[in-house]
Amino acid sequence: DGGITQSPKYLFRKEGQNVTLSCEQNLNHDAMYWYRQDPGQGLRLIYYSQIVNDFQKGDIAEGYSVSREKKESFPLTVTSAQKNPTAFYLCASSILGQNYGYTFGSGTRLTVV
Amino acid sequence: DAKTTQPTSMDCAEGRAANLPCNHSTISGNEYVYWYRQIHSQGPQYIIHGLKNNETNEMASLIITEDRKSSTLILPHATLRDTAVYYCIVSLLLNAGNMLTFGGGTRLMVKP
Repeated sequence: DGGITQSPKYLFRKEGQNVTLSCEQNLNHDAMYWYRQDPGQGLRLIYYSQIVNDFQKGDIAEGYSVSREKKESFPLTVTSAQKNPTAFYLCASSILGQNYGYTFGSGTRLTVV
Repeated sequence: DAKTTQPTSMDCAEGRAANLPCNHSTISGNEYVYWYRQIHSQGPQYIIHGLKNNETNEMASLIITEDRKSSTLILPHATLRDTAVYYCIVSLLLNAGNMLTFGGGTRLMVKP
């Protein structure tokens, strides 16, 4: 079945370490997105990419980096510059030029200790 | 993109219809109304979307007022598994530069 996979589901890291969250989709979707969600809050856009080798900052890009070397993959690196990295991270994908919305992964819960 | 206003929380009895309202009074003529839901600690799930006409699928019905300034998501027979946060979003067609913006949503609690 086609879908979008995030791994790992839970991730623990020490403060000051960079960490990379994986997001892979086999839906042949053009665009991919990363969101951050804090407890009891909505989703905030970190980065998005609408074509391979190109990506754009969202509302809260500081302290994060991404790459889009393949259409299927959009990894997110949480760097040591992110002041409060503990959160639930969600990856999504979509087809451009349509109105069927996004398909989301199941999320990665990152805890920095 | 137009902003939406939703109640923070709602309760519904199991087996009854859940009617979730959304106000989007500044919606433009070519913006769609989307509904998603998020069960605790999972990714949001697409429910339904519409432009002008009412829509129905296997999950829910979407009723959009004639002036398009508000809409209602209807879960006809709510179950305990429908307990989730429901997001109402308005957006242009998902072309370059257009995003879905998720606000706080409505926390629906279905009770036995």
